[in-house]
Amino acid sequence: QVQLQESGPGLVKPSQTLSLTCTVSGGSIDNSIYFWSWIRQSAGKGLEWIGRMYASGSSNYNPSLKSRITISIDTSRNQFSLKLTSVTAADTAIYYCAREGATISNKYFDSWGQGILVTVSS
Amino acid sequence: DIQMTQSPSSVSASVGDRVTITCRASQGIASWLAWYQQKPGNAPKLLISTASTLNRGIPSRFSGSGSGTDFTLTISSLQPEDFATYYCQQADSFPRTFGQGTKVEI
Repeated sequence: QVQLQESGPGLVKPSQTLSLTCTVSGGSIDNSIYFWSWIRQSAGKGLEWIGRMYASGSSNYNPSLKSRITISIDTSRNQFSLKLTSVTAADTAIYYCAREGATISNKYFDSWGQGILVTVSS
Repeated sequence: DIQMTQSPSSVSASVGDRVTITCRASQGIASWLAWYQQKPGNAPKLLISTASTLNRGIPSRFSGSGSGTDFTLTISSLQPEDFATYYCQQADSFPRTFGQGTKVEI
């Protein structure tokens, strides 16, 4: 059974870059039937989809964040990463990595990491 | 973006009750809808996909229905472990969007 685990700093200063990594175990990130996604949850905005990447490198981003986000994938380490630049307090949230199906019969987030709280504060 | 609106925002219920949660999409999404359950301190868990398909291991007291813009999640007989917050999510278009959540509490 696949497991996902987020890692990264829990505190980021305003205007700096938030960097998180998701390590996938129990399955290959190279699997062609999945996308690898980032989702965040805050009290103010609820659950917000950030973006996703396929092992081939193709990606989709939320337009509201597109100018500030980069998602990358490292198949050799079975990891994918999120970078969010120029953070403000509004980016304070629990960040989840998740697996999203890439087939017509499964287009949903069927596995999630436990989440990591990132606070933006000086 | 497609707006997902859930109602009610919260519902008080007792063990054994039938609970119905509604999700409305701001435009048609065919059957590209999922329901998730989230308990405090945990990540959301996929319950139902494509509006009505129960995910593996999910009890049959959960059911989903609907298509187009109006969807329903029903818990036929509420169990103690079902007290949680439930979210709908559309997978029809980008960006993926979620409802604001419905908290099922005692």
